[in-house]
Amino acid sequence: NAGVTQTPKFQVLKTGQSMTLQCAQDMNHEYMSWYRQDPGMGLRLIHYSVGAGITDQGEVPNGYNVSRSTTEDFPLRLLSAAPSQTSVYFCASSYKAGGFGDTQYFGPGTRLTVL
Amino acid sequence: AQSVTQLDSQVPVFEEAPVELRCNYSSSVSVYLFWYVQYPNQGLQLLLKYLSGSTLVKGINGFEAEFNKSQTSFHLRKPSVHISDTAEYFCAVSALNAGNMLTFGGGTRLMVKP
Repeated sequence: NAGVTQTPKFQVLKTGQSMTLQCAQDMNHEYMSWYRQDPGMGLRLIHYSVGAGITDQGEVPNGYNVSRSTTEDFPLRLLSAAPSQTSVYFCASSYKAGGFGDTQYFGPGTRLTVL
Repeated sequence: AQSVTQLDSQVPVFEEAPVELRCNYSSSVSVYLFWYVQYPNQGLQLLLKYLSGSTLVKGINGFEAEFNKSQTSFHLRKPSVHISDTAEYFCAVSALNAGNMLTFGGGTRLMVKP
């Protein structure tokens, strides 16, 4: 198992550009999510999905879109990048989506800088 | 809604000394509690979690944590740290039977010195 994979590892964008951060898992997990990590603030939830075709907003969804057409993939789209979106982005997945304390498995992260 | 406070942003400690990383939470509903570790330039991995039962939870790498409901705390401890324990540690909670969304604290950087 590769676990949770993310691409790219690093990205530099100019203000206003758009891009997609890729996330894939090969563990047949129902639940997938995106977090951003900023110094001193821990991780904050952007969007999540409880299964293919079902997504919902987290704590900080503005400026980001997601979709989940397959169980394996959960891309995060930045529509028009802003310097405030400079952050490290983590994708995570867990086996079940029912809120039973399942362990979440994290990818290695994407470090994004917006100039 | 839930919130998590990690009381120390940095904890320096000498190798082989004991350490405690403090975590307090606030929630109007019952929660599950987690500690995750992030080694430099890596993703997060689970150290331990409390779901129910015994309030003393043992995790990987010799860490343990104790759930104290009356004080709404979930402090992480290790009796003797190693250089390899240098990392950032995150406390997190999720509400029972209400989805998998994790609310994280701000993190504590553990710096183990020789």
